[in-house]
Amino acid sequence: EPEVTQTPSHQVTQMGQEVILRCVPISNHLYFYWYRQILGQKVEFLVSFYNNEISEKSEIFDDQFSVERPDGSNFTLKIRSTKLEDSAMYFCASTEGAGNNQPQHFGDGTRLSIL
Amino acid sequence: AQSVAQPEDQVNVAEGNPLTVKCTYSVSGNPYLFWYVQYPNRGLQFLLKYITGDNLVKGSYGFEAEFNKSQTSFHLKKPSALVSDSALYFCAVSSRYSSASKIIFGSGTRLSIRP
Repeated sequence: EPEVTQTPSHQVTQMGQEVILRCVPISNHLYFYWYRQILGQKVEFLVSFYNNEISEKSEIFDDQFSVERPDGSNFTLKIRSTKLEDSAMYFCASTEGAGNNQPQHFGDGTRLSIL
Repeated sequence: AQSVAQPEDQVNVAEGNPLTVKCTYSVSGNPYLFWYVQYPNRGLQFLLKYITGDNLVKGSYGFEAEFNKSQTSFHLKKPSALVSDSALYFCAVSSRYSSASKIIFGSGTRLSIRP
């Protein structure tokens, strides 16, 4: 079964540094998402992306965050100047079609540790 | 605003016994409801969804969930638990009247099945 893949599995970064998290969604999927899960807490929506544009973003997704689909396969999340509170698991997800009734396919996540 | 509540942080069940993981929701209009499971160091895996129609929904690994509109609940159930069902379970909701991409997750319930 096709999978969403994320790299790296673990990223350690100094506070204030930029970090890029990478995702390869399922190949025929068109809608892409990033979520965050702080240790022991719920999964939080960050942003959705379709047709090279952000569809929706949460209040967490401030000016320090950006997303990009630089080529036909990768979908990236950039944090410009990391803070300690950015430490979390970051999950990428994708869906084939639009609509709130589509189950999302998740990658295994990137654990981001900010020192 | 959409919200999901999972009132139990942890559910403990003996193998072979039935299990229930509770979920209640709040959403404007008719909801789309989902259950996802998360195994250690993995992303979320889709289990089942309710869109419309029959209130009893069957999903992967023998799980099912019952949509109850009057109680705004969507409890996850399985007639006979397996040790391998031990994992973190998330209920999620979206509304067909909201943005086409946003799903709200509950805080998760850790299911522990003892042999």
